[in-house]
Amino acid sequence: SQQGEEDPQALSIQEGENATMNCSYKTSINNLQWYRQNSGRGLVHLILIRSNEREKHSGRLRVTLDTSKKSSSLLITASRAADTASYFCATDVSPGRRALTFGSGTRLQVQP
Amino acid sequence: DGGITQSPKYLFRKEGQNVTLSCEQNLNHDAMYWYRQDPGQGLRLIYYSQIVNDFQKGDIAEGYSVSREKKESFPLTVTSAQKNPTAFYLCASSMNGGTGSYGYTFGSGTRLTVV
Repeated sequence: SQQGEEDPQALSIQEGENATMNCSYKTSINNLQWYRQNSGRGLVHLILIRSNEREKHSGRLRVTLDTSKKSSSLLITASRAADTASYFCATDVSPGRRALTFGSGTRLQVQP
Repeated sequence: DGGITQSPKYLFRKEGQNVTLSCEQNLNHDAMYWYRQDPGQGLRLIYYSQIVNDFQKGDIAEGYSVSREKKESFPLTVTSAQKNPTAFYLCASSMNGGTGSYGYTFGSGTRLTVV
């Protein structure tokens, strides 16, 4: 089952602009994580936000979490061509399911 | 350097053949996972293991089998019962007994094609 659904499915912006991706989920979570995947490669963990946190920053990344709306957003500021990748949210609902459930992803294209 | 290694990078399977995908980690992680990714799609969970000699089915376990005889290794066998095995297979590992509190480390994937 797909717990998380990202929106939009695809996003194209110019270098220097900000990129915002959204994730909605269905059940209560322990934490929500964002991952990045370059084409044909494995995923790389970007940031984790726990259910009792509302906002978290890491470099040019800003993640928010609204547990009442069961949604999260990932903001990449001052985007670069190297940010071009697919971005996935993943939810942790353990102990009921002791493995992450991934969403369908947002494909980000940053034009130089 | 610590990491997680998947092999081979590309694998071709004939109809009716079983194939095994390798996944090895030297991160001393307790938990390991197998996901399947189809083109333009998200990841779907096949199997996961929190400790040696124990594993659980994920959402799409039919046609797949795993073993966890060593902490470092979690091989995935794609059996002939899996009718549509062409996909990108990703292995991951994590600390903390599988709760995901520290994030997953992924391998670079194996692309399996049926010929």
